[in-house]
Amino acid sequence: GQNIDQPTEMTATEGAIVQINCTYQTSGFNGLFWYQQHAGEAPTFLSYNVLDGLEEKGRFSSFLSRSKGYSYLLLKELQMKDSASYLCAFMDSNYQLIWGAGTKLIIKP
Amino acid sequence: GAVVSQHPSRVICKSGTSVKIECRSLDFQATTMFWYRQFPKQSLMLMATSNEGSKATYEQGVEKDKFLINHASLTLSTLTVTSAHPEDSSFYICSARDHYAGESSPLHFGNGTRLTVT
Repeated sequence: GQNIDQPTEMTATEGAIVQINCTYQTSGFNGLFWYQQHAGEAPTFLSYNVLDGLEEKGRFSSFLSRSKGYSYLLLKELQMKDSASYLCAFMDSNYQLIWGAGTKLIIKP
Repeated sequence: GAVVSQHPSRVICKSGTSVKIECRSLDFQATTMFWYRQFPKQSLMLMATSNEGSKATYEQGVEKDKFLINHASLTLSTLTVTSAHPEDSSFYICSARDHYAGESSPLHFGNGTRLTVT
């Protein structure tokens, strides 16, 4: 079967670093996406990993290990505006996105 | 680039009426668009996949006669919630993928429509 799991909520301090983990199980895999969603708004695309390793985009980095069914999103130099939900989703063999429930990130001053 | 426009952003309607939501890809062509529903503090739930020029594919448990989808062109898909009831109140979000960017390219989301049925 297919499943995907990420923590429900995390708290971090402004200026710090936080890592949001995502684990998944699937027989067919065509990449893993991370999206950011502020309350009451639609998701916005952050990153896409299809090969193992780390992809860096400014303050945000995303890592993938296909053999372990594991990804993480790393946020550095946290800002208050980073308070949001972070959704991971993998693309299965039919190119359908399977979504995690999202991790609500709370940033404290 | 890759902008998806969704209208209206907010709608309040009376129980029993119908509401149409439009989703447009402004600067790319989308043969496939996706309609999601999201209840408070829950993740996105795929309702249906809209295919240009053909019938939509509905997820299990989604009533196709209640949620009518039309994808008449490469840039426009509409979702009509027919005979709306208060339990249909939710945040509806459309998304689209650039046809020429490939099947593994990211989805681009509209801003969502918050539907409240009184």
